[in-house]
Amino acid sequence: GAVVSQHPSRVICKSGTSVKIECRSLDFQATTMFWYRQFPKQSLMLMATSNEGSKATYEQGVEKDKFLINHASLTLSTLTVTSAHPEDSSFYICSARSDRLSSYNSPLHFGNGTRLTVT
Amino acid sequence: AQKVTQAQTEISVVEKEDVTLDCVYETRDTTYYLFWYKQPPSGELVFLIRRNSFDEQNEISGRYSWNFQKSTSSFNFTITASQVVDSAVYFCAPPNFGNEKLTFGTGTRLTIIP
Repeated sequence: GAVVSQHPSRVICKSGTSVKIECRSLDFQATTMFWYRQFPKQSLMLMATSNEGSKATYEQGVEKDKFLINHASLTLSTLTVTSAHPEDSSFYICSARSDRLSSYNSPLHFGNGTRLTVT
Repeated sequence: AQKVTQAQTEISVVEKEDVTLDCVYETRDTTYYLFWYKQPPSGELVFLIRRNSFDEQNEISGRYSWNFQKSTSSFNFTITASQVVDSAVYFCAPPNFGNEKLTFGTGTRLTIIP
């Protein structure tokens, strides 16, 4: 149980284009999902908290107009990297926990990540 | 404010050796949880364990064991008889009270040499 599916796993795009990444909770509902970014050989940095039915909450220093988040249903959140540039190349990974276990002390379940390369 | 430190950036051991990964968590909270996650080369994050600050008994799961000592703010992870498949980056992560965010330490890259 508690499977999070992320798609695509890899994407290569040209500078200036936009890329959408999907994150789905397959067997549970998640009012809240989290988006992280990881540069090579670095830790995971939280970008934003995605909230179903309301605006996402962005961490300090993350441009909300650059990284558009939509949480359209209790099982789907999307991250769109708009007008991507080479510096946006990174590993993006989403996570969620079941609403039934919604608490700081229950583990987050992660998608397999999306490796974005902007040329 | 809370602070999690994984001082070991990279560790390499020969297969079958035991290895301990350190994690120090500093907080003013009297009650807290800590998580360990594993990130193999494929990139996904695998949940390993959750412990709370009330429980200082060692936790053992197969070749994995965890030692949590509140007095030293340390939550160390030991792998016995290491195997090549244990090669990964291991993250220690405390959650934030009042919200559901998870903050990750800098991670320790473990390489098991065959």
